Amino acid sequence: AQSVAQPEDQVNVAEGNPLTVKCTYSVSGNPYLFWYVQYPNRGLQFLLKYITGDNLVKGSYGFEAEFNKSQTSFHLKKPSALVSDSALYFCAVRDRGSTLGRLYFGRGTQLTVWP
Amino acid sequence: DTGVSQDPRHKITKRGQNVTFRCDPISEHNRLYWYRQTLGQGPEFLTYFQNEAQLEKSRLLSDRFSAERPKGSFSTLEIQRTEQGDSAMYLCASSSRGQGIREKLFFGSGTQLSVL
Repeated sequence: AQSVAQPEDQVNVAEGNPLTVKCTYSVSGNPYLFWYVQYPNRGLQFLLKYITGDNLVKGSYGFEAEFNKSQTSFHLKKPSALVSDSALYFCAVRDRGSTLGRLYFGRGTQLTVWP
Repeated sequence: DTGVSQDPRHKITKRGQNVTFRCDPISEHNRLYWYRQTLGQGPEFLTYFQNEAQLEKSRLLSDRFSAERPKGSFSTLEIQRTEQGDSAMYLCASSSRGQGIREKLFFGSGTQLSVL
């Protein structure tokens, strides 16, 4: 079985401060891991993915995520938050043996960055 | 690219009626996916097409649901005899066959279904 947990429904951070959005996963095999962002009235947008190689993955808009196999985590980070980063963030996983594009999403974390 | 487009944006229907949604993927994308998202939850996979072939269906896709992708272009998702539990956002996504980018899904803005 594959699943994703995003333990925080909401994360609040001041502009300019670092942000972290947490994600842990469960798969039977080796994971492919993803972060997507959803702005109001817009479709989900791809931020970054971990497939293989370097555990630190860099993505769009200055975001990065670190794959930690021992902790089964894939936390999203950004060194300096912007007000425009405020959105709903989803972590997703798929087992390498499963269908390409068949992702299991977490419930999402609402990020609010205040000025 | 012009992005994935979905029509309609909103649909309100009475219980027991049939509804059909349309998705136009990015033109060169051969893979098309339908997901469903309910309030406070992440998207859940429903079904997947490669070109015109429907290759996988989730157990969430009951017999009342049917999806097609004629000629491997646009896709339709029909729900027959709608129930209140069908109320959700229906999302369409597509992806390219290209190496290194196959894993990247492009999502449409969704169709919000409300069943009264």
